[in-house]
Amino acid sequence: KNEVEQSPQNLTAQEGEFITINCSYSVGISALHWLQQHPGGGIVSLFMLSSGKKKHGRLIATINIQEKHSSLHITASHPRDSAVYICAVRLGYADKLIFGTGTRLQVFP
Amino acid sequence: DAGVIQSPRHEVTEMGQEVTLRCKPISGHNSLFWYRQTMMRGLELLIYFNNNVPIDDSGMPEDRFSAKMPNASFSTLKIQPSEPRDSAVYFCASSPGTGNYGYTFGSGTRLTVV
Repeated sequence: KNEVEQSPQNLTAQEGEFITINCSYSVGISALHWLQQHPGGGIVSLFMLSSGKKKHGRLIATINIQEKHSSLHITASHPRDSAVYICAVRLGYADKLIFGTGTRLQVFP
Repeated sequence: DAGVIQSPRHEVTEMGQEVTLRCKPISGHNSLFWYRQTMMRGLELLIYFNNNVPIDDSGMPEDRFSAKMPNASFSTLKIQPSEPRDSAVYFCASSPGTGNYGYTFGSGTRLTVV
């Protein structure tokens, strides 16, 4: 079993829909990161969370430390949001990230 | 700041050849990470440095892989000899230090070993 699990693996949506991507982890962490990777592109850090909720534009990330679960929400989705979204956790005792396998999102006009 | 700079962007080499990937972290960032991304295994940490010192190299697949950070502004990842299974995208990332900091990733080097 992977230490970081994401769901769904693939997601398609119509423009304007509300999107939720989930991440569950089984290890003790000090922080959780959400990353975005466009096809053939580099990796961009969206959020780093250790508790609560963060918002940036149409993106919202939440984390529940007790339940070891985080969600990434996209409001009013747009075709340019099409990308792979990767959840990564920083272990509580080490300065390195463990990655989920990613969620491939496609938003159609 | 130009961000984390990796070179080359693409590398195609023949099996058995030596390959050197380069990374320039963001100025002032004390931690540098090398990751490998493949379709089968996703993103994996190979090695990371803090203040130019290798801290954890447990992800380096085998002795054919080596990494150095001779100074705060430059790191290399070398594969010698290269094999087709080394084909992947190699990312370098840096962060301000140990602890809960954000990471900045380079654009990656796409390596193809034929």
